[in-house]
Amino acid sequence: NAGVMQNPRHLVRRRGQEARLRCSPMKGHSHVYWYRQLPEEGLKFMVYLQKENIIDESGMPKERFSAEFPKEGPSILRIQQVVRGDSAAYFCASSDRGQGLAGTPYEQYFGPGTRLTVT
Amino acid sequence: AQSVTQLGSHVSVSEGALVLLRCNYSSSVPPYLFWYVQYPNQGLQLLLKYTTGATLVKGINGFEAEFKKSETSFHLTKPSAHMSDAAEYFCAVSPSGGYNKLIFGAGTRLAVHP
Repeated sequence: NAGVMQNPRHLVRRRGQEARLRCSPMKGHSHVYWYRQLPEEGLKFMVYLQKENIIDESGMPKERFSAEFPKEGPSILRIQQVVRGDSAAYFCASSDRGQGLAGTPYEQYFGPGTRLTVT
Repeated sequence: AQSVTQLGSHVSVSEGALVLLRCNYSSSVPPYLFWYVQYPNQGLQLLLKYTTGATLVKGINGFEAEFKKSETSFHLTKPSAHMSDAAEYFCAVSPSGGYNKLIFGAGTRLAVHP
């Protein structure tokens, strides 16, 4: 049973180019979360998606960043016109449900991450 | 707003010694609390979590954590460190009554020396 898969594992982009990061959730999971980890910092929540819907994008920068989770295929995090400050590790996590009784959370399973370097 | 503070960005212990990684949180509502471990170039793996019930939580690899509401703490411990425990550890909080949005601390890098 494959875990959460992310590709590419490493991505190098020049300033101004577009970066496209892919995340395939675990089989049977329909909830996807994206987090960003800047150097020497913890992970920061970016966006939460269910199939074809963005549920919470409160952590997404207002410009240049977008995310989607289509009915078929992986979730995509897109960064347009990248800048040096976008260099970070981007992690995707998935779960099979959003929450249980009384709001108890379900475990998120994390992928290995994509390390983006902007030169 | 909820936040997580991990005291000590680097902790070094001898093999066989006690491991203590500190985590304090701030939350206006009862939170759910987690510890994750990250090995180099890998994703995060859940060590343990506190939702409700017993405040002493046992996790994988011999780790455990105790939820202390009065101290707003959720420190991670292991009685005897092993070389394979060397990794980065993240404490995280999730608001109750909501979905799994996780708020992470900055992490503590644990080094284990012979």
